[in-house]
Amino acid sequence: GQQLNQSPQSMFIQEGEDVSMNCTSSSIFNTWLWYKQEPGEGPVLLIALYKAGELTSNGRLTAQFGITRKDSFLNISASIPSDVGIYFCAGQSIIQGAQKLVFGQGTRLTINP
Amino acid sequence: DAGVIQSPRHEVTEMGQEVTLRCKPISGHNSLFWYRQTMMRGLELLIYFNNNVPIDDSGMPEDRFSAKMPNASFSTLKIQPSEPRDSAVYFCASRVATSGSYEQYFGPGTRLTVT
Repeated sequence: GQQLNQSPQSMFIQEGEDVSMNCTSSSIFNTWLWYKQEPGEGPVLLIALYKAGELTSNGRLTAQFGITRKDSFLNISASIPSDVGIYFCAGQSIIQGAQKLVFGQGTRLTINP
Repeated sequence: DAGVIQSPRHEVTEMGQEVTLRCKPISGHNSLFWYRQTMMRGLELLIYFNNNVPIDDSGMPEDRFSAKMPNASFSTLKIQPSEPRDSAVYFCASRVATSGSYEQYFGPGTRLTVT
């Protein structure tokens, strides 16, 4: 089945630094979603993208839907300790099935205060 | 508004026992998804329902797993008999199945340990 390649797998940064992570696919997606998961909790939706080239912000988070429709990135500006967690990208495509999401492997973010 | 509710949050059971996980989707959502999360395999879709009807169960590992959705506000995932390799975190997610929106909202999960 389809797969999403998410990178990096983990990041260790200092508080205040900016963060960038991305997801790529060999096939086209119609929707990109970004989730954050904290220990012991379920993934929480951060940003949803529906159009190629779309750039959407949610506070210090900014995500973009790549113009090729095969990639997306998530940026976090001026990181703070509560940004710690695992960030997942998820994509939806006709090939996968209209209702199904394909998830990346996650990027684990650790912040040193 | 209440999010997706799952119970129990933690379940520890012995191999061979029956396990039932429960989910209450967000009110008004008409699609429900069951996922399993492990370190090795990440998030895997097991089955999903539209309007209480199972649409795709191709992710269900084997016949030991079954899922039901008797009404719009309740679903169960049952494992019988359970095995140690079923140990994982099981998530339920829901969404509104309208055209153009694919956002799924996850519950807190049930951490299952089979000894």
